[in-house]
Amino acid sequence: GAVVSQHPSRVICKSGTSVKIECRSLDFQATTMFWYRQFPKKSLMLMATSNEGSKATYEQGVEKDKFLINHASLTLSTLTVTSAHPEDSSFYICSARGGLAGQQETQYFGPGTRLLVL
Amino acid sequence: QKEVEQNSGPLSVPEGAIASLNCTYSDRVSQSFFWYRQYSGKSPELIMSIYSNGDKEDGRFTAQLNKASQYVSLLIRDSQPSDSATYLCAVNRGYSTLTFGKGTMLLVSP
Repeated sequence: GAVVSQHPSRVICKSGTSVKIECRSLDFQATTMFWYRQFPKKSLMLMATSNEGSKATYEQGVEKDKFLINHASLTLSTLTVTSAHPEDSSFYICSARGGLAGQQETQYFGPGTRLLVL
Repeated sequence: QKEVEQNSGPLSVPEGAIASLNCTYSDRVSQSFFWYRQYSGKSPELIMSIYSNGDKEDGRFTAQLNKASQYVSLLIRDSQPSDSATYLCAVNRGYSTLTFGKGTMLLVSP
């Protein structure tokens, strides 16, 4: 099936540093990629939607200058958490919409990145 | 406002029983319906998609869609402890962003 990879899977950083998370669709071209955040025992929260070559659309309450999204190609999107603080510690999950040849487009999730800011 | 409603659970069933997970949605023109499974600490995994009224079966899973009632369900036959997870219902209209329910936690006891 369609595979989405995410790197790194886990990162620990100091407060004030920036962290970049990569999301790749491995066997299909993703027309759109999504970034979610999930706190423990809470629901998925959509942060932003990005299309290749255009600016991301951020959900209400998500700071675009803090969470920089770059969708450089149809298979790669990056999320950079700038000047991270402990309250940014969370599980960040990317998702890519696309599909294998002959299949209806569907949204597939990456394995997630667990961020801990000290 | 587009909404997807699910009972948060937990839904507890014994091993071997049928687990029935339900979802209602408010946007009448929704076209695509999905069930994702999320294990604790992991990301969601797509298990079923359904686009037309009726039933769709895949192994032990059956998705049921009733657009007139704006209702979609997931049946899991012969439930196993490994099926214990949170099940997310998701809905979209064409190429719009998926709208997720908050999920139903399923617990299958041995």
